[in-house]
Amino acid sequence: DGGITQSPKYLFRKEGQNVTLSCEQNLNHDAMYWYRQDPGQGLRLIYYSQIVNDFQKGDIAEGYSVSREKKESFPLTVTSAQKNPTAFYLCASMTWTGPSGNTIYFGEGSWLTVV
Amino acid sequence: DQQVKQNSPSLSVQEGRISILNCDYTNSMFDYFLWYKKYPAEGPTFLISISSIKDKNEDGRFTVFLNKSAKHLSLHIVPSQPGDSAVYFCAASVAFGNEKLTFGTGTRLTIIP
Repeated sequence: DGGITQSPKYLFRKEGQNVTLSCEQNLNHDAMYWYRQDPGQGLRLIYYSQIVNDFQKGDIAEGYSVSREKKESFPLTVTSAQKNPTAFYLCASMTWTGPSGNTIYFGEGSWLTVV
Repeated sequence: DQQVKQNSPSLSVQEGRISILNCDYTNSMFDYFLWYKKYPAEGPTFLISISSIKDKNEDGRFTVFLNKSAKHLSLHIVPSQPGDSAVYFCAASVAFGNEKLTFGTGTRLTIIP
């Protein structure tokens, strides 16, 4: 089945540690994204990548890093510089749906808790 | 600066009635809009979209209306079913093919049996 796979679903991190969230897609989509969701807030864009070996900062990139070495993979590293990392993280990829535009499809999400 | 706003954080509707979720935007460059549905601890799923060349798009029980002059869009669900209980996000992008979507804050819809 085609889809977007995020792992792990739940992750606990000690303060001062870096952690990496995995995102893999087998949909052959060029564009991939990382969003963060906090209670009472919308989805906020962290980083996105339109093509392999290229990525751009989103609205809240500070304290995060990404890589895009393969089309299928877009891992997100939450560094110790991220002051408030506890959140629900969503990976997504995008496909063109024809003249009506494009559509983003999301993975199931990863819960990160800093302890 | 919240460019896409959903001013109602929650909405309760009787089963079988119409649910109307609203979304306002401030960026006049937005011309493509989408609605997503999200259950707890899951990723959002795409529902329906509309481009600025249209003012209405229908897909089964879901209809999205766009009023460009008012910078307002709405999602109508009729008839509402218990499985529709979820958080609904509207999202916008500045052009067809632009990969950056801006999301609203979401509206929690509860369908009362």
